[in-house]
Amino acid sequence: AQSVTQLGSHVSVSEGALVLLRCNYSSSVPPYLFWYVQYPNQGLQLLLKYTTGATLVKGINGFEAEFKKSETSFHLTKPSAHMSDAAEYFCAVSVIYNQGGKLIFGQGTELSVKP
Amino acid sequence: DTGVSQNPRHKITKRGQNVTFRCDPISEHNRLYWYRQTLGQGPEFLTYFQNEAQLEKSRLLSDRFSAERPKGSFSTLEIQRTEQGDSAMYLCASSFFGADNEKLFFGSGTQLSVL
Repeated sequence: AQSVTQLGSHVSVSEGALVLLRCNYSSSVPPYLFWYVQYPNQGLQLLLKYTTGATLVKGINGFEAEFKKSETSFHLTKPSAHMSDAAEYFCAVSVIYNQGGKLIFGQGTELSVKP
Repeated sequence: DTGVSQNPRHKITKRGQNVTFRCDPISEHNRLYWYRQTLGQGPEFLTYFQNEAQLEKSRLLSDRFSAERPKGSFSTLEIQRTEQGDSAMYLCASSFFGADNEKLFFGSGTQLSVL
């Protein structure tokens, strides 16, 4: 069975600092992994995804994530935080191999960015 | 591309009443998903359609819940005899399932409050 654990429900960084949001997963099949962002009063938006191939995945808004099979992790990073990055971030794993619609989501990490 | 549209944005109802939500997906998308999100949690899968066929229902979806997607276009989610535990954000997402690149596009959700 698939599951996702996001370490830390709240993360606070200063503007310009490194952003690191942690995600660990378990999956009985080769995982498809996703990061979604949710801004207030908006729908979830896909930041990036890993399916197969290159383990370092680049997404929108300068975010990237690295798939580490040995650590069952898919942490999200951004070298320099911007005020506009303040939002809720969700890590997710696909339930069905080779499909990206039926997902198990983590509980989310709220990112705050201090000026 | 006008995105995924959900109506209403907010619904307040009394316990025991029936409610219906509507989702209009992106027009060329053949799959439509319903998720539920409670405060402090990530979205949970409820059900999904490919065209007009309902392919799967989660065990979370009791017999008070019914979803339809007539003609494979818009979808409705009805909750009968609402309970306070049904209070949540109901999210709709659509995707094009075909090549190995399924990507969900979420609507802004319908916030249900059961008094």
